[in-house]
Amino acid sequence: DGGITQSPKYLFRKEGQNVTLSCEQNLNHDAMYWYRQDPGQGLRLIYYSQIVNDFQKGDIAEGYSVSREKKESFPLTVTSAQKNPTAFYLCATSTSSGNTIYFGEGSWLTVV
Amino acid sequence: QKEVEQDPGPLSVPEGAIVSLNCTYSNSAFQYFMWYRQYSRKGPELLMYTYSSGNKEDGRFTAQVDKSSKYISLFIRDSQPSDSATYLCAMSKETSGSRLTFGEGTQLTVNP
Repeated sequence: DGGITQSPKYLFRKEGQNVTLSCEQNLNHDAMYWYRQDPGQGLRLIYYSQIVNDFQKGDIAEGYSVSREKKESFPLTVTSAQKNPTAFYLCATSTSSGNTIYFGEGSWLTVV
Repeated sequence: QKEVEQDPGPLSVPEGAIVSLNCTYSNSAFQYFMWYRQYSRKGPELLMYTYSSGNKEDGRFTAQVDKSSKYISLFIRDSQPSDSATYLCAMSKETSGSRLTFGEGTQLTVNP
């Protein structure tokens, strides 16, 4: 089954702990993105990567880290430095020449 | 001021109604315009993609872009309960690499 797979779907984290969200794609897309969605704020870009072993900060990168060691994978780590991490996290992909992006099903992170 | 403004609603209409969803933007550098539909607790899915000013039709959906007024619209004809979702407008300044700016989203409910 093709597409973008995010895991876990739901995750609970204690304050002070780091957590890693997984994103895997088999669409052979070059670019991958992480967005955060909060009520009343729309989607905000955290990090994006247009090629393996390279990535750039988005608008709200503080408290997050990423890696892009393989074309298919773009994991996001939410660190303890992120002050308000409870949110819906969306991974997305696009071709290198495309203007449209395609989203995974999302991961819900709750800090308890 | 946000670059993209979208009325969050909620918007409630009877089945069969024509729905009009709108976004305004302030930056004339935006060239590519998209509408996404997001069901509750799911990732957004791409509905419509347009580049130039004018109308683009796909089934019951029509996307309209007016670059001179910096205004985009999505019309839904013969609305169905299955159209109940949040609709997000998105736009990009770049020809590739898709760094999108999203509106806040409009929550739509179509009542049977």
